[in-house]
Amino acid sequence: KAGVTQTPRYLIKTRGQQVTLSCSPISGHRSVSWYQQTPGQGLQFLFEYFSETQRNKGNFPGRFSGRQFSNSRSEMNVSTLELGDSALYLCASSLGGVGNQPQHFGDGTRLSIL
Amino acid sequence: GESVGLHLPTLSVQEGDNSIINCAYSNSASDYFIWYKQESGKGPQFIIDIRSNMDKRQGQRVTVLLNKTVKHLSLQIAATQPGDSAVYFCAENIITGGYNKLIFGAGTRLAVHP
Repeated sequence: KAGVTQTPRYLIKTRGQQVTLSCSPISGHRSVSWYQQTPGQGLQFLFEYFSETQRNKGNFPGRFSGRQFSNSRSEMNVSTLELGDSALYLCASSLGGVGNQPQHFGDGTRLSIL
Repeated sequence: GESVGLHLPTLSVQEGDNSIINCAYSNSASDYFIWYKQESGKGPQFIIDIRSNMDKRQGQRVTVLLNKTVKHLSLQIAATQPGDSAVYFCAENIITGGYNKLIFGAGTRLAVHP
């Protein structure tokens, strides 16, 4: 069974631009969560989608948004990029949702803001 | 790949020894806990999980212990191997707004020496 796939693996943007990251969950998984990982703040929860609906959201500004499609694939968008948005963005999927089974992570998208 | 944390606590062990990685969690109402392993350049990999109605769970070469009285979680790795070198994260499931989300610890770097 294929794992969680995130594209692209690396991305370089400049301040003020916007970016869209993509995540394909494990086949059959309906829950997709996004996390930001930085050396200073560690792994921080962004949001979770389940059956195309956002179920939970972390403490991030509205510039961070996401969506989920009917095939469970998810995208995350960050608008008006800031230097502090440089991070590894991780996507995780699970069958029934957070708190019921372990989430399985992709290898992330490394976003660098110049 | 880049380091996931520049100033993480480090546990150094000799190959073949047993390793114990500790984690203090914050919420006494947390009902589900997971240990992840993250190697350089990769996403977190699920190791083992435990629910709050248990105090011990064993996997292959790994054991998780849960002490709810002092809100402490530990991961024991038997016969540690060089391939176990990685950053280890504990995560607790909390419920906010009626939905679950995972809160990750800061991580511990395990260095295995031959």
